[in-house]
Amino acid sequence: EAGVTQSPTHLIKTRGQQATLRCSPISGHTSVYWYQQALGLGLQFLLWYDEGEERNRGNFPPRFSGRQFPNYSSELNVNALELEDSALYLCASSLRGLSEQYFGPGTRLTVT
Amino acid sequence: RKEVEQDPGPFNVPEGATVAFNCTYSNSASQSFFWYRQDCRKEPKLLMSVYSSGNEDGRFTAQLNRASQYISLLIRDSKLSDSATYLCVVSDGSGDKLTFGTGTRLAVRP
Repeated sequence: EAGVTQSPTHLIKTRGQQATLRCSPISGHTSVYWYQQALGLGLQFLLWYDEGEERNRGNFPPRFSGRQFPNYSSELNVNALELEDSALYLCASSLRGLSEQYFGPGTRLTVT
Repeated sequence: RKEVEQDPGPFNVPEGATVAFNCTYSNSASQSFFWYRQDCRKEPKLLMSVYSSGNEDGRFTAQLNRASQYISLLIRDSKLSDSATYLCVVSDGSGDKLTFGTGTRLAVRP
């Protein structure tokens, strides 16, 4: 069974640009979660989507947004990039109502 | 107080040693508990869920103490391949939002 996939693996942007990150969940999983992991820090919860709706978001500014498509894949958009947005962005998926989350390999975003 | 607290380590142990990690959480309504393992620059991988009755998976044993709000992970007969960061993870009351501890680093030496 294929795991969670993310693209791109690496992304380099300049300050002020926009970044789009993509995630495909495990087949049958309807929930997708996004996390940010800055170097040396723990995982910070960003967003949770289920059945196409945003269910919860963490303490991040509105320039972090996303959506979930009918096939349950998801996109994370970061507008007006700042240097401190440089981090590993991890996507996880789970069955709705089940907390066990499975992670993708992440997208490493570098803002210069 | 942090929602989930772990000793960052590092724990530096010889092969074959037994090592234990503890984790405390602040939300008494938390429903689910997990240990994840994260290798350097890789994604976290689910190691095991933690049940009220305690559970064991091979060399790994997890315990939950709801009254004291802490979770433990015991690793017996440590292997070199166990070297990683171990993340304590706690769900909120609805069971859908996970809060991750910052992790405990384990280094197993030959």
